Amino acid sequence: NAGVTQTPKFQVLKTGQSMTLQCAQDMNHEYMSWYRQDPGMGLRLIHYSVGAGITDQGEVPNGYNVSRSTTEDFPLRLLSAAPSQTSVYFCATHPWGGEVASTEAFFGQGTRLTVV
Amino acid sequence: ELKVEQNPLFLSMQEGKNYTIYCNYSTTSDRLYWYRQDPGKSLESLFVLLSNGAVKQEGRLMASLDTKARLSTLHITAAVHDLSATYFCAVTPGTYKYIFGTGTRLKVLA
Repeated sequence: NAGVTQTPKFQVLKTGQSMTLQCAQDMNHEYMSWYRQDPGMGLRLIHYSVGAGITDQGEVPNGYNVSRSTTEDFPLRLLSAAPSQTSVYFCATHPWGGEVASTEAFFGQGTRLTVV
Repeated sequence: ELKVEQNPLFLSMQEGKNYTIYCNYSTTSDRLYWYRQDPGKSLESLFVLLSNGAVKQEGRLMASLDTKARLSTLHITAAVHDLSATYFCAVTPGTYKYIFGTGTRLKVLA
């Protein structure tokens, strides 16, 4: 049981390049989300999805796009990378009981992104 | 603006000592979660507190929730080096959003 798988683990981009961070889960959870973690800032929610075809913005959505075509996959796209997007990115899933999470979230191993 | 604040942000303590980490949040949330993160690793769940007055214990860690005060505590008893990590609390304000605190970096000295 793989749980939540993120790829790549590390990435270096040049300013202006685009890339997609991949997140796949085999837990059949409806809810998936992307966070970025920066020193002293905790984890900040970028985008989330409550099911295939449904996405919404979190706290820091600017510069990122998402889509959810299947339950399993929730890719995060950087269209034009900027140094301010240097961060560690985590994908998370959890079952969602109505509007409130009924259990803990399950996290991927993270993607460490550097934009130069 | 929703805020989830933890204090202290950094904590250095001797093995065998007790200490408490505090998590304050600024909006209504019936539930609160505690996570642990080791350096360079992902987050793993410690506790899920689902109602006012909930208390959970696992080993040397005990978490409690007071929804009226919008406060959760994570108490460490007789700390050991293996507890060195960063601890995060998180709340769900009921709008499909899962908001994390700033984290408390704990270092237990032998």
